[in-house]
Amino acid sequence: AQSVTQLDSQVPVFEEAPVELRCNYSSSVSVYLFWYVQYPNQGLQLLLKYLSGSTLVKGINGFEAEFNKSQTSFHLRKPSVHISDTAEYFCAVSDTGGFKTIFGAGTRLFVKA
Amino acid sequence: SQTIHQWPATLVQPVGSPLSLECTVEGTSNPNLYWYRQAAGRGLQLLFYSVGIGQISSEVPQNLSASRPQDRQFILSSKKLLLSDSGFYLCAWNGAGVDSPLHFGNGTRLTVT
Repeated sequence: AQSVTQLDSQVPVFEEAPVELRCNYSSSVSVYLFWYVQYPNQGLQLLLKYLSGSTLVKGINGFEAEFNKSQTSFHLRKPSVHISDTAEYFCAVSDTGGFKTIFGAGTRLFVKA
Repeated sequence: SQTIHQWPATLVQPVGSPLSLECTVEGTSNPNLYWYRQAAGRGLQLLFYSVGIGQISSEVPQNLSASRPQDRQFILSSKKLLLSDSGFYLCAWNGAGVDSPLHFGNGTRLTVT
């Protein structure tokens, strides 16, 4: 069975500082990996996805993530955050069986001025 | 372009009352449809998914049911709400490919009193 672990429930960071949100997954088959962002009282929006190929994936709003198969990780990074990046971020995995996407518990990013 | 509508945005219902949440998708045909529930600090829990009209798969046995009377309509129901049904309910859709990301509605905040 698949699972996703987001290692930090909250990450406070100052504006213009770099940030890394950690995600580890477990799966016995090939997986597709996603990061979603949720702003207060809204649904989730796709930030980026890893399907195959280059292990460094670039997404919207200056975010990028690196797939590391040996460490079963898919950490999200941004070199310089803005106040507007304050939101909850979810790592997710779906497998080649389709239909089911499993989400981590989420990491709340709080950007301080 | 595709859009997803979910309503109502907020709902306060007494224990024992019925529930009906509706979700419709525009701009695509034969989408996979999903209901998720989000509890604080616990990520997203997949409740139901549907790959076609009248086809419903339940992930978690509970007090809720789902129906898909039309290709792009997905309804979440309950005959008698429990306090534990409170939460943020999200409808989502994706395409046929297993790597297709999810597209979410803006959610319904349900409070059972």
